[in-house]
Amino acid sequence: ILNVEQSPQSLHVQEGDSTNFTCSFPSSNFYALHWYRWETAKSPEALFVMTLNGDEKKKGRISATLNTKEGYSYLYIKGSQPEDSATYLCAPSGGGADGLTFGKGTHLIIQP
Amino acid sequence: DGGITQSPKYLFRKEGQNVTLSCEQNLNHDAMYWYRQDPGQGLRLIYYSQIVNDFQKGDIAEGYSVSREKKESFPLTVTSAQKNPTAFYLCASSFSGVRNYEQYFGPGTRLTVT
Repeated sequence: ILNVEQSPQSLHVQEGDSTNFTCSFPSSNFYALHWYRWETAKSPEALFVMTLNGDEKKKGRISATLNTKEGYSYLYIKGSQPEDSATYLCAPSGGGADGLTFGKGTHLIIQP
Repeated sequence: DGGITQSPKYLFRKEGQNVTLSCEQNLNHDAMYWYRQDPGQGLRLIYYSQIVNDFQKGDIAEGYSVSREKKESFPLTVTSAQKNPTAFYLCASSFSGVRNYEQYFGPGTRLTVT
């Protein structure tokens, strides 16, 4: 079983502030890194699937970077809004359609 | 509308009874997955299937069984051998192949066994 660490476990951020959190994973046998957002009472929703070292992806105010050599990814949220409140999950994969090994997530709460 | 459905949303069973959770998708995805979530834990993989009539054990398959007779359906049976069956169960699906595809999740079933 892969060891996937996410930090911090929870985070309270003022509305309008920017924030970031980390996903660490084994760099061996790596193919891709998935980020998902899971809002309360909804299903997890894919944010990014990243494969290349140094890759950066962006979706609106959310962006992510990937370092496959040292085994980490950062997720950034610029100008946090209440709708960003969710649990953010990361999962590395070894390729193909094998199931994912998820970290425990970072629970983000945006305070108005 | 394309998507994944899971039923029921809440399920209650007595200890010692087997129970089957339903998962159906109309996204034409080849691969389907079952995950379990417990408080303070990440999603843990129970079983997955990359093609009809084939499936593989995930990290916590003991006490569970699955079937994949149709592309659209991947039911999960929680047997009486599962020691801690009370949990939130999520089904997901994706395209399969060499590329890494994002997974689409259903709304989940919360199972309570007493």
